[in-house]
Amino acid sequence: SQKIEQNSEALNIQEGKTATLTCNYTNYSPAYLQWYRQDPGRGPVFLLLIRENEKEKRKERLKVTFDTTLKQSLFHITASQPADSATYLCAQEHGGYSTLTFGKGTMLLVSP
Amino acid sequence: DAGVIQSPRHEVTEMGQEVTLRCKPISGHNSLFWYRQTMMRGLELLIYFNNNVPIDDSGMPEDRFSAKMPNASFSTLKIQPSEPRDSAVYFCASSLGQGADGYTFGSGTRLTVV
Repeated sequence: SQKIEQNSEALNIQEGKTATLTCNYTNYSPAYLQWYRQDPGRGPVFLLLIRENEKEKRKERLKVTFDTTLKQSLFHITASQPADSATYLCAQEHGGYSTLTFGKGTMLLVSP
Repeated sequence: DAGVIQSPRHEVTEMGQEVTLRCKPISGHNSLFWYRQTMMRGLELLIYFNNNVPIDDSGMPEDRFSAKMPNASFSTLKIQPSEPRDSAVYFCASSLGQGADGYTFGSGTRLTVV
C-alpha cells in the first residue's frame, strides 16, 4: 500500500539558517503533494501544493520541490525564525477519491 | 468566515458512553472530512463526504463509529459505545472540491475515554 514517510526526529536549527524537511513516498507518484503546518493544540494549516509536473514551488520564505525519480519532496524555510517552530506535515492525494493521506510530520525547532 | 468550527474542544467520558462530535464546515465547501490524530498513527482519514453524501468510509474503525451530514453546514461523528482506545484528537476539515487547493481544518476535539 502507498506510504508517506517523514523524519520522526525533531530538526533543531539556529535562527537565520535554512530548514530542510524531507517527505518520501512509496509506489506510485501522486498527482500532487501538499505541505501543512501544525502548532500544538491546533489543526493543520495548509501552506503549499506542488503538482507532479512542477519541479519547484515558492511562497515567500517557503520552497517546495518534487522529485518523482527519487519519490521525494523537500520543504525549505529560508531565513528561519523562532516563530517557524512547529510540526510540518506532508500529504499526498491517494486512492480513487483523491483524499489526502498524511505523513506523521517532522517537528522543527528554531532557536534564537 | 470563521473557519471550520468544531465542538466540543475537549470531551472526557467514561467507557461505554456515547460521544457525539460536531462540525460546521466553511460555507461553500462541498467536501468534508473527519480525521483522527494520535501520536502512534498520525492523522488518519475516517470518512469523506461530498455534497453531504458519504463517499468513502473505509477508514471508520468499526461499527461503533458513525458519521452523518444532514445538510451542507453540519456534520456529526458519533462513537457508541466509546472505549479507551478511542482517545485521540478528532479533526474535521473541509475543502472546495477534492482538495487540490488544500484542506481547512478545525481546531479539533480532544477526546479522552476513561
